[in-house]
Amino acid sequence: RKEVEQDPGPFNVPEGATVAFNCTYSNSASQSFFWYRQDCRKEPKLLMSVYSSGNEDGRFTAQLNRASQYISLLIRDSKLSDSATYLCVANGANYGQNFVFGPGTRLSVLP
Amino acid sequence: DGGITQSPKYLFRKEGQNVTLSCEQNLNHDAMYWYRQDPGQGLRLIYYSQIVNDFQKGDIAEGYSVSREKKESFPLTVTSAQKNPTAFYLCASSTHRDNSYNEQFFGPGTRLTVL
Repeated sequence: RKEVEQDPGPFNVPEGATVAFNCTYSNSASQSFFWYRQDCRKEPKLLMSVYSSGNEDGRFTAQLNRASQYISLLIRDSKLSDSATYLCVANGANYGQNFVFGPGTRLSVLP
Repeated sequence: DGGITQSPKYLFRKEGQNVTLSCEQNLNHDAMYWYRQDPGQGLRLIYYSQIVNDFQKGDIAEGYSVSREKKESFPLTVTSAQKNPTAFYLCASSTHRDNSYNEQFFGPGTRLTVL
């Protein structure tokens, strides 16, 4: 089983839609979780950290479920500019609890 | 401006040659990382360093080497022993305290192509 798993998509949604991505992680000792956004042929950029109590940043909401070992990202009122690949990140079990990146979920927001 | 720089942006190499990718940060971050990304795939950790003069192997260190002589710099050498080096190479940095890692910030990447 991979340490961090995501549905690769693509998710094709119309502008204004609400879309949710889930991500599962295998290391029960993971403490830090993040969502990154990566545009085509660019570097990943931090979208938001994920806190135990859940957190919101504008149209984006992140949730953590420790019991089921998954994190989620909800995007409301999708914009064309939200089209990108979204990477889920958690501490791995190896390499000093270093981060493990999921393979990413591709989102296309359509006009 | 604070940030991470990588050079060159594009690099072409003949088989059998070693090449060195540059990564510099002025964020005063303790930890630095090298990842490899292949088309349609996630990031895989090559090497990381938590402190100057110390570095550790990641998942796919074979055929690569690094050094960390200065806090700001973490160059990666892709040796001829790396069988399939064509990929997108990403350098990142983060603060690191007491075995706790904070979010990573990435440089713009280097695209290496072996001819």
